[in-house]
Amino acid sequence: GAGVSQSPRYKVAKRGQDVALRCDPISGHVSLFWYQQALGQGPEFLTYFQNEAQLDKSGLPSDRFFAERPEGSVSTLKIQRTQQEDSAVYLCASSTADGDQPQHFGDGTRLSIL
Amino acid sequence: QQQVKQSPQSLIVQKGGISIINCAYENTAFDYFPWYQQFPGKGPALLIAIRPDVSEKKEGRFTISFNKSAKQFSLHIMDSQPGDSATYFCAASKGGSQGNLIFGKGTKLSVKP
Repeated sequence: GAGVSQSPRYKVAKRGQDVALRCDPISGHVSLFWYQQALGQGPEFLTYFQNEAQLDKSGLPSDRFFAERPEGSVSTLKIQRTQQEDSAVYLCASSTADGDQPQHFGDGTRLSIL
Repeated sequence: QQQVKQSPQSLIVQKGGISIINCAYENTAFDYFPWYQQFPGKGPALLIAIRPDVSEKKEGRFTISFNKSAKQFSLHIMDSQPGDSATYFCAASKGGSQGNLIFGKGTKLSVKP
């Protein structure tokens, strides 16, 4: 597609449920990033993939958060046993791996935990 | 510790005026400084970016000024338009555009007609 696509756009879950958020990067982009954006704040880094390899997961807030990109294209961010503080917009960005090519962001998934 | 500090939190400018947003950073290892624009319900979109070996970069109405010794950089929007009303984020990273971006808290800009 023309841009980074994220689904669903909105997700409501009850506390304790597991959720899965999907990111379709721009075709051919080898780098993929996940960020979390709380209301009224800037995005915060969660994790980074180069192709299928997860090279940096230092931003994942707890072991309830898990991300994968098994074939080096689509990525899924999974949150287990959701808590209210997980409510945020989850943004995915992709990029080519060369030079100063910027990270292109999707429109995010707004997650609300009740 | 907030690695990238952004000010002001909000800004109101008249149409045709100059909007100025400032950022300061702590980590001298940062080597890439982008500015992103975000509209409600949308993801951030890159406006302009700069490397620390350049003191100024201009693209259309948008200019980044960079002061390496002061560890500060700013975004200037010339001839501000109502369509520029959005939230602006500065960011910084190590490893160029492939590094994880550390964002400021954002500036909500309103341009009055």
